[in-house]
Amino acid sequence: GAGVSQTPSNKVTEKGKYVELRCDPISGHTALYWYRQSLGQGPEFLIYFQGTGAADDSGLPNDRFFAVRPEGSVSTLKIQRTERGDSAVYLCASSLRGERTDTQYFGPGTRLTVL
Amino acid sequence: DAKTTQPNSMESNEEEPVHLPCNHSTISGTDYIHWYRQLPSQGPEYVIHGLTSNVNNRMASLAIAEDRKSSTLILHRATLRDAAVYYCRGGTSYGKLTFGQGTILTVHP
Repeated sequence: GAGVSQTPSNKVTEKGKYVELRCDPISGHTALYWYRQSLGQGPEFLIYFQGTGAADDSGLPNDRFFAVRPEGSVSTLKIQRTERGDSAVYLCASSLRGERTDTQYFGPGTRLTVL
Repeated sequence: DAKTTQPNSMESNEEEPVHLPCNHSTISGTDYIHWYRQLPSQGPEYVIHGLTSNVNNRMASLAIAEDRKSSTLILHRATLRDAAVYYCRGGTSYGKLTFGQGTILTVHP
């Protein structure tokens, strides 16, 4: 079956602009996660959804970052007033129930470059 | 979350076994130990997880120390496709993953 997909695969924007990154999880997965990965580093947790609600947004760096999952499936990560430091690969993952034994399935990521 | 320590890099030859260590001395009694790997230009992929007992699957084996403060991922016969960054961590109750810098595995033909 289809895995986790993310669009766009690459996004180049200018400092100060607004961007949206989309994640399509595996069908039927109730848990969805966003991570950010800088060059040479491991993925850094941003936010976790259980269904439509954000169960843990403790990893969002500041209020310029926001994510939604209105119907409990597709999620959008929104970044306002982008800064050069936001440049990274943004990864999305989903799992069946979000339990600690669940396997997380990752998408290929969106590479964001802020000029 | 449990703090994990892994070597920055390891090397192996093709067809030889590889033992990737991880220290997680602050792990709680109910945290699962997860291993993921990340191939170049891809998202991480699940390898294996366990709680107390050693675990085997088609990809690898996981040996967990009796005190659970360390574990070892075992690739029985490394292939060139196993070259990746390997991450270990202790999971929270809902599966939130926090990755360290991982171990870069290089496999020589």
